[in-house]
Amino acid sequence: DQQVKQNSPSLSVQEGRISILNCDYTNSMFDYFLWYKKYPAEGPTFLISISSIKDKNEDGRFTVFLNKSAKHLSLHIVPSQPGDSAVYFCAASYGGATNKLIFGTGTLLAVQP
Amino acid sequence: DAGVTQSPTHLIKTRGQQVTLRCSPKSGHDTVSWYQQALGQGPQFIFQYYEEEERQRGNFPDRFSGHQFPNYSSELNVNALLLGDSALYLCASSQVRDGVYGYTFGSGTRLTVV
Repeated sequence: DQQVKQNSPSLSVQEGRISILNCDYTNSMFDYFLWYKKYPAEGPTFLISISSIKDKNEDGRFTVFLNKSAKHLSLHIVPSQPGDSAVYFCAASYGGATNKLIFGTGTLLAVQP
Repeated sequence: DAGVTQSPTHLIKTRGQQVTLRCSPKSGHDTVSWYQQALGQGPQFIFQYYEEEERQRGNFPDRFSGHQFPNYSSELNVNALLLGDSALYLCASSQVRDGVYGYTFGSGTRLTVV
């Protein structure tokens, strides 16, 4: 039972354009969502997060949008840079500062120069 | 400031063998969580250790066990290895009060079972 889904295995974008990565979830108990970026041979690194009480969080070039009614969140990267090329994971947790994250399967973003 | 350190980085084992993976948490962190990332999948939670005890466990068989030492470092043990145990094993440390909000991941151990 995949509670967090990233339906696009890959995405290719031109440098300077917007990248939009999508994530859907099924468990309405989730109250915190995070995006991680992962380069080959490295562990995931935290990018940005959002609480379920908000619908938007912005940090520099990165913005996460949450649509609770649709159980959908998206990560926008503007402008995209070649260094953004990586696998992006959406993750969710519930119950406050709980003990585990539930990850999606990831989206490989390729930013073309 | 050293982050999370995992060892070894790669290893190859034969079916039926046992393996021990190690994790040193980031300085100041007291909690260690282990995740398994199979090829093409997202990381899956195995278990978490705090105060040398297993606090929470994911849906993994008893062949997977762990330990946390007084210095907060941790080991993941897998017995009777199966081909399906081939994966990247990630360790994440945090402070207990931060939980998942303060995760720092290591680079992982790539386990191949042949």
